[in-house]
Amino acid sequence: TQLLEQSPQFLSIQEGENLTVYCNSSSVFSSLQWYRQEPGEGPVLLVTVVTGGEVKKLKRLTFQFGDARKDSSLHITAAQPGDTGLYLCAAHSGTYKYIFGTGTRLKVLA
Amino acid sequence: NAGVTQTPKFQVLKTGQSMTLQCAQDMNHNSMYWYRQDPGMGLRLIYYSASEGTTDKGEVPNGYNVSRLNKREFSLRLESAAPSQTSVYFCASLRDGGNQPQHFGDGTRLSIL
Repeated sequence: TQLLEQSPQFLSIQEGENLTVYCNSSSVFSSLQWYRQEPGEGPVLLVTVVTGGEVKKLKRLTFQFGDARKDSSLHITAAQPGDTGLYLCAAHSGTYKYIFGTGTRLKVLA
Repeated sequence: NAGVTQTPKFQVLKTGQSMTLQCAQDMNHNSMYWYRQDPGMGLRLIYYSASEGTTDKGEVPNGYNVSRLNKREFSLRLESAAPSQTSVYFCASLRDGGNQPQHFGDGTRLSIL
């Protein structure tokens, strides 16, 4: 069974701090996606990483795919209250199927 | 700009009652999905439909049935609800092609007493 483990599960930080969220697996994936989910809504895609070692930036968010394509990280610089939400990683598990990570719930305090 | 629409948004059932959760997408996507979300467990796939007329089991299909009514609509049915099925249910759709994003509805919050 393929699993995506995320850490930490919860994170509460002050505005302006930096943080990193991890998504780890023992399986190799062809690509990995990061989603953010806000209360009362469905997840929304932030980024897809495809190549081992790839780094993508989305404003203050930096995403990296591990060299072996088994893990990924999300780094947020100078976090803001608007970054509060549930962050989920996801990967293909078969042609049409996806698996999702356990999630990291982030709260940024003003 | 409706995207994926789920109904109802909230529902309370008694154990043993039946219910159908509705999902419709207006993006002409072939693939559609039903997930459940429980605290600390991310999203778990219940059933999916790769195209109109086909459905397949996901990770946690027991206690559920699905119908891909047409390309737009994919419904999830609980025949005899159990308290363990209390959860938030999300429907998603996906365009063909590699590395496409899944588009999610806003969820149905289901409580079973």
